[in-house]
Amino acid sequence: TQTVSQSDAHVTVFEGDSVELRCNYSYGGSIYLSWYIQHHGHGLQFLLKYYSGNPVVQGVNGFEAEFSKSDSSFHLRKASVHWSDSAVYFCAGTPTGYQNFYFGKGTSLTVIP
Amino acid sequence: ETAVFQTPNYHVTQVGNEVSFNCKQTLGHDTMYWYKQDSKKLLKIMFSYNNKQLIVNETVPRRFSPQSSDKAHLNLRIKSVEPEDSAVYLCASSYGGANTGQLYFGEGSKLTVL
Repeated sequence: TQTVSQSDAHVTVFEGDSVELRCNYSYGGSIYLSWYIQHHGHGLQFLLKYYSGNPVVQGVNGFEAEFSKSDSSFHLRKASVHWSDSAVYFCAGTPTGYQNFYFGKGTSLTVIP
Repeated sequence: ETAVFQTPNYHVTQVGNEVSFNCKQTLGHDTMYWYKQDSKKLLKIMFSYNNKQLIVNETVPRRFSPQSSDKAHLNLRIKSVEPEDSAVYLCASSYGGANTGQLYFGEGSKLTVL
């Protein structure tokens, strides 16, 4: 059974701070991993994804994520957050050959101006 | 820029009524999905269609049925709504199935069942 988990339900930081949102997966084979952002009242928007190659991937709006096979992780980072980054962030995984995206429970990020 | 369009965005109805949500994508994708997002923001896959063929049908009540006329459209019909159907229904699409790692979502259709 494949699982994507996000350990933090809520994260609060000040504008200009750096932030890391955590995502771990449990699957023994190859897996597509991605991050999405959902602002209140809207659908999800794709931020970035990883399958192979350079473990650090760059996304939109200054976001990046780093894949670690040893830690089974794909954490999302941003060096300096803006109040508009306040949203819910979802990590998703798709094991190779599967036909579904499995989402974590989401992390609500609040950025205090 | 939105390329997955859902209608209606909001719908309020009473128990036992029928509801339909429409979804259209203009991205030329071949796979479309319906997700249910509950009040705790949890996302659950309901259906997935690839070139009009159902490829994933998670365990959902029979009152839910997907309807697709072509690969750009995937509608969701709820025959007789129940209070637990209150949620946001999100339509999404991808190209080449799930193994692209990237979904494009619509803005959602919020259903309230009284």
